[in-house]
Amino acid sequence: AQTIHQWPVAEIKAVGSPLSLGCTIKGKSSPNLYWYWQATGGTLQQLFYSITVGQVESVVQLNLSASRPKDDQFILSTEKLLLSHSGFYLCAWSLNSDYTFGSGTRLLVI
Amino acid sequence: AQSVTQPDARVTVSEGASLQLRCKYSYSATPYLFWYVQYPRQGLQLLLKYYSGDPVVQGVNSFEAEFSKSNSSFHLQKASVHWSDSAVYFCALSPLSGSFNKLTFGAGTRLAVCP
Repeated sequence: AQTIHQWPVAEIKAVGSPLSLGCTIKGKSSPNLYWYWQATGGTLQQLFYSITVGQVESVVQLNLSASRPKDDQFILSTEKLLLSHSGFYLCAWSLNSDYTFGSGTRLLVI
Repeated sequence: AQSVTQPDARVTVSEGASLQLRCKYSYSATPYLFWYVQYPRQGLQLLLKYYSGDPVVQGVNSFEAEFSKSNSSFHLQKASVHWSDSAVYFCALSPLSGSFNKLTFGAGTRLAVCP
């Protein structure tokens, strides 16, 4: 069975500090991978997608970057956090328009 | 361009009452349509999806949704809600084809079920 694991579960970080969020997919080879962001009380916005290792496309500019160093791994990062980065980050994979979401990382920037 | 509109930000119903959460979409062709539920501090869970065929689709936990091409709608329904149904519900749309499938979400409807 396919599983999707996100880490960490939650983070409290200072403005200006770096951030790295991770996502690992097990049981599925070469999935399409996505990062979504949800502001508190808001809808979900697609940030990045990746169809293959080493290739990441940006959908929304939020001063964040993403990388796919391995087929089953998707990383979201920034060198300098902003207050506006606070929210809920979800990783997802898809096959033929069927999406599976991770349990998310809750980020508070103070 | 594709978009999803959920006109009701909040809905409050009594336990045991029927429920309808509205969803309207905009897309040039017939898309894939989804309803997801988000419980507090959790990720998204798929309730049901529509690809083609019978416009009424059954989902988990006795939810169902009806696709209407003429109205560009995909409303979610439940005959009798339980307090545990309190959550945020998202309608979403994805194009039928393409190696990159952009899943577009509505703003969500927060459902509160009162005892």
